[in-house]
Amino acid sequence: GAGVSQTPSNKVTEKGKYVELRCDPISGHTALYWYRQSLGQGPEFLIYFQGTGAADDSGLPNDRFFAVRPEGSVSTLKIQRTERGDSAVYLCASSLTPGTYNTGELFFGEGSRLTVL
Amino acid sequence: DQQVKQNSPSLSVQEGRISILNCDYTNSMFDYFLWYKKYPAEGPTFLISISSIKDKNEDGRFTVFLNKSAKHLSLHIVPSQPGDSAVYFCAASVAGGTSYGKLTFGQGTILTVHP
Repeated sequence: GAGVSQTPSNKVTEKGKYVELRCDPISGHTALYWYRQSLGQGPEFLIYFQGTGAADDSGLPNDRFFAVRPEGSVSTLKIQRTERGDSAVYLCASSLTPGTYNTGELFFGEGSRLTVL
Repeated sequence: DQQVKQNSPSLSVQEGRISILNCDYTNSMFDYFLWYKKYPAEGPTFLISISSIKDKNEDGRFTVFLNKSAKHLSLHIVPSQPGDSAVYFCAASVAGGTSYGKLTFGQGTILTVHP
């Protein structure tokens, strides 16, 4: 499809386990973002990639969270030693390079719902 | 601290009438504002935006108003339609450079438009 694709759509895991969430952005979008949305809240910024590098990771809550984008396209968000408080919908978004034809509009995927038991 | 606030968790409107969704912000560095709409089980979709150099931006049935002195913006939907029923998020950013996509969202307002 032409939109942002996220897998899995749902993930249930046990406390302490390792989890990977994948994002495939819109073709041609060099900027990729991860957000987290907890119940009843708006999305919260986690990390931003421009190309292969993490331009801003100031939103990652702690060192259990890590994200990569090795070839500048697909990105993986990795969560180690999951905790119940990590339960949320993890949203990925992509956009054209900021500062060009970018109005600030992000194109979001449907999200990966993570439940930590 | 919540830098972007949507103080109304929900709003109910009759079809054909005006829907007004409000948003307040505290960070004076914000200079670009957006509204996103979200249906259940879908990601947020961009609706309309406004730069701080403007006080109004209109796109069809949707108009966003910005009052910088009050640090307040609102989204007007006229006329409201049942298909507009969704969660609406206000978001803000510091425009320029790599900050465009680093958005600070409000908590959202659930809009229900009754036929």
